This record gives sequence, C-alpha cells and structure tokens, in this order.
Amino acid sequence: QKEVEQDPGPLSVPEGAIVSLNCTYSNSAFQYFMWYRQYSRKGPELLMYTYSSGNKEDGRFTAQVDKSSKYISLFIRDSQPSDSATYLCAMSGRQTGANNLFFGTGTRLTVIP
Amino acid sequence: DGGITQSPKYLFRKEGQNVTLSCEQNLNHDAMYWYRQDPGQGLRLIYYSQIVNDFQKGDIAEGYSVSREKKESFPLTVTSAQKNPTAFYLCASSGRQNYEQYFGPGTRLTVT
Repeated sequence: QKEVEQDPGPLSVPEGAIVSLNCTYSNSAFQYFMWYRQYSRKGPELLMYTYSSGNKEDGRFTAQVDKSSKYISLFIRDSQPSDSATYLCAMSGRQTGANNLFFGTGTRLTVIP
Repeated sequence: DGGITQSPKYLFRKEGQNVTLSCEQNLNHDAMYWYRQDPGQGLRLIYYSQIVNDFQKGDIAEGYSVSREKKESFPLTVTSAQKNPTAFYLCASSGRQNYEQYFGPGTRLTVT
C-alpha cells in the first residue's frame, strides 16, 4: 500500500465550478500537509501548507485536513482556466523527518472556459 | 528575487555519457533535494543534503551522484550507470527544520 493515495484524474470542470481534490494517507505520524500546483513542464509551486487538522483558506483555495479519517482536501472556488494544472499533495511528520516528504502522484485538472 | 534556478531547461545526451544538472538557490536554505518525476509515478527522491559537505541517498540513488561544496549549490550528475535516465529532474530546497519544500523549474533530460 502506498503511503499517499491520490486519484490521478483527469478531472474536467466548467469555469466557475467548485473543485474538490483529495488525498488519503496511511501513516498517522503525518502532521504537515502541503498542496502543490504544477503547470505542464514546470516545477511544482507550493500552494497551501497546513499543520495538523482543520481548515486553511487563501483566496479561492481552502485546504482541509481530517486526521481522524487520514484524508486531506483542496477546494478551489470559482475555478478559472488558469487553474488548469496538476495538483500534488505532500505530507510529512516529525517522526518521518523533515527531509522525507511523501507525495501523491497528482491529479490533472482542466477548467473549461 | 529569491528562488531556485536550474539549468539547462532541456538537455540531450547520448547513452554512455555522464551529464551534470545545475541547481542554485538564493533563499539561504540549509537543505536541498533532487527528485525525479516520471509520468504516473509522482516524485521520487534521489539525494538530499541538509548541510554543506554532507548528503544522503534517497529512494533511487543508484546511477546518480551529487556534491554540496557551497550552501547555494547542489549539482546532480547522472552517470552512465543509470539505466533509464530520461526524465524530468527537479531540485528543491527548504529551511532548517521546515517541512515545506520549494522547487526549481526543472530540467528535462533526454538520453538517446
């Protein structure tokens, strides 16, 4: 079983839709959770960073962590064509070490104008 | 402008040749990382370094080598021993005891 599971998609939505991207994980030691956005042929860009459980909002983006279910989500409101990219979740914890970041395989999102 | 630079953006080599990929950061980060990204496989850690003159193997270090002579620089050499070198290579860095990593733009290596 992989440490982090992420549906690869692809996911296509119309402009203005609410997008929900998700990852599940198996290691209860994970405490730090990140979402990266990666445009085609570019490096990943850190989008959201959360610690432990709860929600964090930044503009149109909301990151949600449910440690009891080992489930994290990224919501994108009022999606735009410029949001079309691959979204990677990543996570780590004190026990797994700061240098060990566990990544999902990424979900490819297309927002159709 | 603080950030991570990788050069070149595209690199083509013949099989059997060693090639070195450059990574420089001016974020004053202590830790630097090299990842390989292949379609459908996500990011895999090749090597990482927490301080100058020290580095550790990641999950797929075979066929690769690194050096860390300066805090700002962490070059990766893809040797002829690497069986499938064609891939997208990403360099990243992070601050001391920080969990979030920041990535460079990547180098796409094609070996024929």
